[in-house]
Amino acid sequence: DAGVIQSPRHEVTEMGQEVTLRCKPISGHDYLFWYRQTMMRGLELLIYFNNNVPIDDSGMPEDRFSAKMPNASFSTLKIQPSEPRDSAVYFCASSSSDSYGYTFGSGTRLTVV
Amino acid sequence: SQQGEEDPQALSIQEGENATMNCSYKTSINNLQWYRQNSGRGLVHLILIRSNEREKHSGRLRVTLDTSKKSSSLLITASRAADTASYFCATDASYSGAGSYQLTFGKGTKLSVIP
Repeated sequence: DAGVIQSPRHEVTEMGQEVTLRCKPISGHDYLFWYRQTMMRGLELLIYFNNNVPIDDSGMPEDRFSAKMPNASFSTLKIQPSEPRDSAVYFCASSSSDSYGYTFGSGTRLTVV
Repeated sequence: SQQGEEDPQALSIQEGENATMNCSYKTSINNLQWYRQNSGRGLVHLILIRSNEREKHSGRLRVTLDTSKKSSSLLITASRAADTASYFCATDASYSGAGSYQLTFGKGTKLSVIP
């Protein structure tokens, strides 16, 4: 398995633009998590899905953030409109209910200027 | 809010020495996990210890858990330059039934192993 695949690896965008981050989880994993990592706040859970259904989105900072999981092999995190304070590394992770460890993707480094 | 807090924030040792990192948490847990993050990469799962376990080993890693003190430690023996990374503890404190959980991560300990 190629692991959790995220794209793009780097994204630089201007304030006000829409940003879409993508994630392909490991095949067979039924949990998918979106985290944001910054120096100040560390790793923050934004939202997670179980069997493609959003379970807890209480970590989504504002209505500007939205996430979807249309099928078991794909999820998106969208920020619209983007702001400089959204600059961070965004990680997608997946897991199976048969085990407890998460498998993380390599992350998307987002810079909003 | 952060559930786990690692200590120290940064640690620098010579190759061959042992490295010990600590994690404290606030609420009851079902299990505690340790992850490693190399610079510019995602986190990698290292080891999991359940709340009814006190010690666990995996290769050069040794994890202890003291639920009465709400603390855990990660020991890396005979460290290598390749162990240079950030190490995070994560707690599963919201287990609500089979197959339903989420992890809360600490801010990590940055370990530097000098060749």
